[in-house]
Amino acid sequence: DTAVSQTPKYLVTQMGNDKSIKCEQNLGHDTMYWYKQDSKKFLKIMFSYNNKELIINETVPNRFSPKSPDKAHLNLHINSLELGDSAVYFCASSSRGSGNTIYFGEGSWLTVV
Amino acid sequence: QKEVEQNSGPLSVPEGAIASLNCTYSDRGSQSFFWYRQYSGKSPELIMFIYSNGDKEDGRFTAQLNKASQYVSLLIRDSQPSDSATYLCAVFDNYGQNFVFGPGTRLSVLP
Repeated sequence: DTAVSQTPKYLVTQMGNDKSIKCEQNLGHDTMYWYKQDSKKFLKIMFSYNNKELIINETVPNRFSPKSPDKAHLNLHINSLELGDSAVYFCASSSRGSGNTIYFGEGSWLTVV
Repeated sequence: QKEVEQNSGPLSVPEGAIASLNCTYSDRGSQSFFWYRQYSGKSPELIMFIYSNGDKEDGRFTAQLNKASQYVSLLIRDSQPSDSATYLCAVFDNYGQNFVFGPGTRLSVLP
């Protein structure tokens, strides 16, 4: 049983397209995140949701829109994809009950051509 | 902007040696600290967390925390080639309810 699962794992798409990445966690956590890891391997927070409510929205283009239908799901929609959006996007979750430890999904490798 | 800093490496150690990975953080109020390991092409996985000043040992790994110096380190004893990976230091930001990651240190254990 995968604790944090995200799909698709690999995504190659053309500039200007719109794409979505889905994420689900079965850990019962109340907080979910989207991180972006660029070619230099720097993990940077994009969004954080706690019990379906947005609590962090770092400086990312408004082409990126997260949606949390319930606290077990946090999806990421990206409009008008650009070359610079190519990166690995990690979904993650945490809960105070787990000592604030954050658990990551396997990552979604996005390549914009 | 809260920051977490690490030497990017690569840090090369011979097999069987002790690898020492260091991390400093800017937010003096931080209380929770984590070390993650990331193999190439994989997601970060938790190695250890530490909340209190001092040492915490788990097998070959020892985390050390010094809040006065805003410094946290990870020691890996008897390093193995399978330990070769990027090690990420993370600090939980209680105010922003967010995990802030350092840039990672790439460790290479030479057989």
